[in-house]
Amino acid sequence: DQQVKQNSPSLSVQEGRISILNCDYTNSMFDYFLWYKKYPAEGPTFLISISSIKDKNEDGRFTVFLNKSAKHLSLHIVPSQPGDSAVYFCAASHYNQGGKLIFGQGTELSVKP
Amino acid sequence: GAGVSQSPRYKVAKRGQDVALRCDPISGHVSLFWYQQALGQGPEFLTYFQNEAQLDKSGLPSDRFFAERPEGSVSTLKIQRTQQEDSAVYLCASSLAVVRGEGYGELFFGEGSRLTVL
Repeated sequence: DQQVKQNSPSLSVQEGRISILNCDYTNSMFDYFLWYKKYPAEGPTFLISISSIKDKNEDGRFTVFLNKSAKHLSLHIVPSQPGDSAVYFCAASHYNQGGKLIFGQGTELSVKP
Repeated sequence: GAGVSQSPRYKVAKRGQDVALRCDPISGHVSLFWYQQALGQGPEFLTYFQNEAQLDKSGLPSDRFFAERPEGSVSTLKIQRTQQEDSAVYLCASSLAVVRGEGYGELFFGEGSRLTVL
């Protein structure tokens, strides 16, 4: 069973507009969530994280929102830039799993000039 | 180098061959993870080391998969008698943090080893 789901395989956005990537999870034991970004032929790189005690975390153009009751998180990128074009993975973990991350399937973001 | 290094980058094996994939983590990183990524999917957890101790191997798909990290640094993932379904990118990641706090969950990934089994 897929514990972390990204239901949109792809998203296309105009440069300068907002990109919103969504992620749902089923395991209520998850208490830490992360977003990773991946360019072709490279490994994923860490982008931003959020603990379940918060509902928002912001880092520059990137903001992650967490809605625990809905078991939903989202990543907002404002403004979007062509260099943001990549595959974005959300990931989740819980405290007794030693840092093991469960990843979603990924959403490919394309930012058009 | 400064990052996680994996070798080989590409490996083609005939069905039934044994393969060994190497991971050189960032110096000083205590935690080391192996993930398998099939085409169009997210990385799936295989196994986790803290120093030389393999603390979790629940993601290894069969007893044909074996991982080791004998000196708490370099790790090797070995796949015996490879099958076509083993074709994937194998990602290694390392992390400094082992307890919750700053940097927890921030895994540093290598570029991966792409395995194709014919």
